[in-house]
Amino acid sequence: EAGVAQSPRYKIIEKRQSVAFWCNPISGHATLYWYQQILGQGPKLLIQFQNNGVVDDSQLPKDRFSAERLKGVDSTLKIQPAKLEDSAVYLCASSLVGGFSTDTQYFGPGTRLTVL
Amino acid sequence: GQNIDQPTEMTATEGAIVQINCTYQTSGFNGLFWYQQHAGEAPTFLSYNVLDGLEEKGRFSSFLSRSKGYSYLLLKELQMKDSASYLCAVSRGGKLSFGAGTTVTVRA
Repeated sequence: EAGVAQSPRYKIIEKRQSVAFWCNPISGHATLYWYQQILGQGPKLLIQFQNNGVVDDSQLPKDRFSAERLKGVDSTLKIQPAKLEDSAVYLCASSLVGGFSTDTQYFGPGTRLTVL
Repeated sequence: GQNIDQPTEMTATEGAIVQINCTYQTSGFNGLFWYQQHAGEAPTFLSYNVLDGLEEKGRFSSFLSRSKGYSYLLLKELQMKDSASYLCAVSRGGKLSFGAGTTVTVRA
C-alpha cells in the first residue's frame, strides 16, 4: 500500500514570495491533515479536511495561508506572502475516517521550507 | 488545555531500557499516541492507548493512566536505530496535539 505522498521535498524562497505544497493521501482515507513543524517542536495542526470539507482550520493563519482539497483526494497548501517565521517542515497526514480517538494518522515525508 | 510535557533529551546505552514520560491536561481526552521521528523524516506511528494500562508491541510498550494524565513509552533492548525523537500526542475528538518530543540517543 502506497503511503502519503508530498512534493516538493525541499523549497527555498525569499520572504514575500508565494509557495505551494501538494499532498496525495493514502488511497481510501477520508481525512487529510496539514501540520507545521518548526525545528525542535512537535507538529502543529493547521487544517483538517473530511473528504473535501474543512473540519478545523482554527490554527491556520488565514491572512496568508490557504488550503483546498478538491474532489476529496489530493490537497494543496499555499502560503502567500511568505514570512521568515514560516520556515518549517510542512507535514501532510491522512487517516481512514477521522474524528475517532483510535483513528491512526499516517504522515508523508514532509516539505522542508526555508524562507530567506 | 493543550499542555503536553515530555523530557527534551535522554541518553542510554545499547541493549538497555529507556522510559519516556509524558504528562498532559486531561480535559477532553480521548486517547494517547506515540510516534517515532528520525531526523529529517516523517513521524511514524508506534502505539496508542485509550484505556488505562500497558500495551506491549515487541520491544516497545506504552502505559496510560487517564486519572493522572500520565503516559510513558518503554523501549527495551535498545538498538542504535532507536536513536530518534519520540513524540507524545493527545487525541481529542480525533485531533492530535503533540508534545515537543524527546530526543533519545543510543550509545554503543
